Amino acid sequence: DGGITQSPKYLFRKEGQNVTLSCEQNLNHDAMYWYRQDPGQGLRLIYYSQIVNDFQKGDIAEGYSVSREKKESFPLTVTSAQKNPTAFYLCASSIRGTFDEQYFGPGTRLTVT
Amino acid sequence: QKEVEQDPGPLSVPEGAIVSLNCTYSNSAFQYFMWYRQYSRKGPELLMYTYSSGNKEDGRFTAQVDKSSKYISLFIRDSQPSDSATYLCAMSAGGANSKLTFGKGITLSVRP
Repeated sequence: DGGITQSPKYLFRKEGQNVTLSCEQNLNHDAMYWYRQDPGQGLRLIYYSQIVNDFQKGDIAEGYSVSREKKESFPLTVTSAQKNPTAFYLCASSIRGTFDEQYFGPGTRLTVT
Repeated sequence: QKEVEQDPGPLSVPEGAIVSLNCTYSNSAFQYFMWYRQYSRKGPELLMYTYSSGNKEDGRFTAQVDKSSKYISLFIRDSQPSDSATYLCAMSAGGANSKLTFGKGITLSVRP
């Protein structure tokens, strides 16, 4: 069964704690992305990676960090520096470049109190 | 002016209606256009992908791109309650490091 998995579906953390969101794909896609979705804001790009061991900042990278040590995995860490971390986080992947069709995972709802 | 504007909605139609969803954009370099459907608390699902101007049909869905007017549309024929979702348009210029720019989405409700 090919696809993108994100875990967990719901995540709760206390303010000041770092938290890592998991994203795995078995589509053999080169590129992977992290978006944040807030009500009425649409999707905003946090980080993306077009190849293993390389990644670029998106539009709202402050307070987030990523790694891309394996082609199939692109974890996102939400650090305590992120001022408004509560949101719906979506991971996506595409075959090659950033203009290809992007396929999304089911998302992780992070709540920080 | 935002790069991509999408009618804010929400939109409510009776079952069987023809639905027209629209986006306008300002960046004339955009040439890849997509429509995503997102059910509540789920990830977006790619519905249609088109390159440059023209129409593309897939079942009850038709995507239309008019680059001269910087306007894209998604038509849904014979709408069903299962079409109730949020629809997002997305577009990209292509090329290295170009990004996908999304509209904010419009929520559609199809009444039985």
